[in-house]
Amino acid sequence: DTEVTQTPKHLVMGMTNKKSLKCEQHMGHRAMYWYKQKAKKPPELMFVYSYEKLSINESVPSRFSPECPNSSLLNLHLHALQPEDSALYLCASSQGGGRTLQETQYFGPGTRLLVL
Amino acid sequence: ELKVEQNPLFLSMQEGKNYTIYCNYSTTSDRLYWYRQDPGKSLESLFVLLSNGAVKQEGRLMASLDTKARLSTLHITAAVHDLSATYFCAVGRADMRFGAGTRLTVKP
Repeated sequence: DTEVTQTPKHLVMGMTNKKSLKCEQHMGHRAMYWYKQKAKKPPELMFVYSYEKLSINESVPSRFSPECPNSSLLNLHLHALQPEDSALYLCASSQGGGRTLQETQYFGPGTRLLVL
Repeated sequence: ELKVEQNPLFLSMQEGKNYTIYCNYSTTSDRLYWYRQDPGKSLESLFVLLSNGAVKQEGRLMASLDTKARLSTLHITAAVHDLSATYFCAVGRADMRFGAGTRLTVKP
């Protein structure tokens, strides 16, 4: 099973709302990732959790707050977002955060976020 | 800072023709990935290339890696409509960087 699940599939929120995106994998992977993808652009790395610790934060604004409750779950808490934050948010997981030579990142279906 | 460049960015092919997508990267890396993305969908892993001279094939797609030239190619043989998608190369480990993507359209 190489499935990464994400909820919700679609989310519309106002600039004053607080919402959360959820990601789950049951492949025993120890690294999980958040990416942001704007239309017709490549994915951009936001955060990496490796062995449940935040290992990479790509200078993401504090209105995005990641959380990794355990090795299977990854959340992205959203607060006071701007319209330019509207995008597809992709979660991914891999065996060991780049430590294993053959490892591949497996992507979830994404959450399409619209900020009004 | 690692930069990954792909070309062409757009590719319109006729069915049955062959073509190659190129991916250049700016700093040494021990791995390179190719992903496929269908419109409105997520990314599907195609290949992981780990060493100089590595070649991998899956169906009509063949990927190769030249680490000395920092160049990877994705060769499409006898294109079919089902191959229409955006193809990304990516370089790095946990801090993976993607190329801009090649939007491939295969026409009958």
